[in-house]
Amino acid sequence: GNSVTQMEGPVTLSEEAFLTINCTYTATGYPSLFWYVQYPGEGLQLLLKATKADDKGSNKGFEATYRKETTSFHLEKGSVQVSDSAVYFCALSVMNRDDKIIFGKGTRLHILP
Amino acid sequence: DAGITQSPRYKITETGRQVTLMCHQTWSHSYMFWYRQDLGHGLRLIYYSAAADITDKGEVPDGYVVSRSKTENFPLTLESATRSQTSVYFCASGAGGTLSTDTQYFGPGTRLTVL
Repeated sequence: GNSVTQMEGPVTLSEEAFLTINCTYTATGYPSLFWYVQYPGEGLQLLLKATKADDKGSNKGFEATYRKETTSFHLEKGSVQVSDSAVYFCALSVMNRDDKIIFGKGTRLHILP
Repeated sequence: DAGITQSPRYKITETGRQVTLMCHQTWSHSYMFWYRQDLGHGLRLIYYSAAADITDKGEVPDGYVVSRSKTENFPLTLESATRSQTSVYFCASGAGGTLSTDTQYFGPGTRLTVL
């Protein structure tokens, strides 16, 4: 079946540090891949997405590249800010009869000033 | 207001009571979804709807009922609430079409406590 595995948190970094949150997936067919972010007290919102192999999604300084050979979609940011503190969800969707998004369990990120 | 709204934002109820959580979106999106978010489980799909009068079960549908008589509304009912249904519930919508490349838009969530 389809599934997403992402690194467990919490992840704690100092401001301006480099961030990587790992995400790997298992999917039948050709998935689209997403990163969603949930700020405290809010619902999830799309951060970035990639729809085919080698695509790079980017937004707000975050990037992730769809790597079919390693079935990965790792989230990176070169210099994090306190305002990036949130929970990050990796997700996938495979177009089939049951069109749904499969979410990972989320990684909580704390950025210290 | 434009967007997707949920009500109530917070609800405390007792075991055995019926509870309805409301979800309303103003984009005329075809698809709507209900998720629950629990520590250690992430986000789990309860029910979803591809259009008015079309609903389907997700990963954890037991104990829940949905309806979708109008495109913009997608209420979730707990027919007889149990403590295990204490959770944060999120409604989401999406334009549909090629769903595999679509974005879902989430409401702010309803925190439900069942005593």
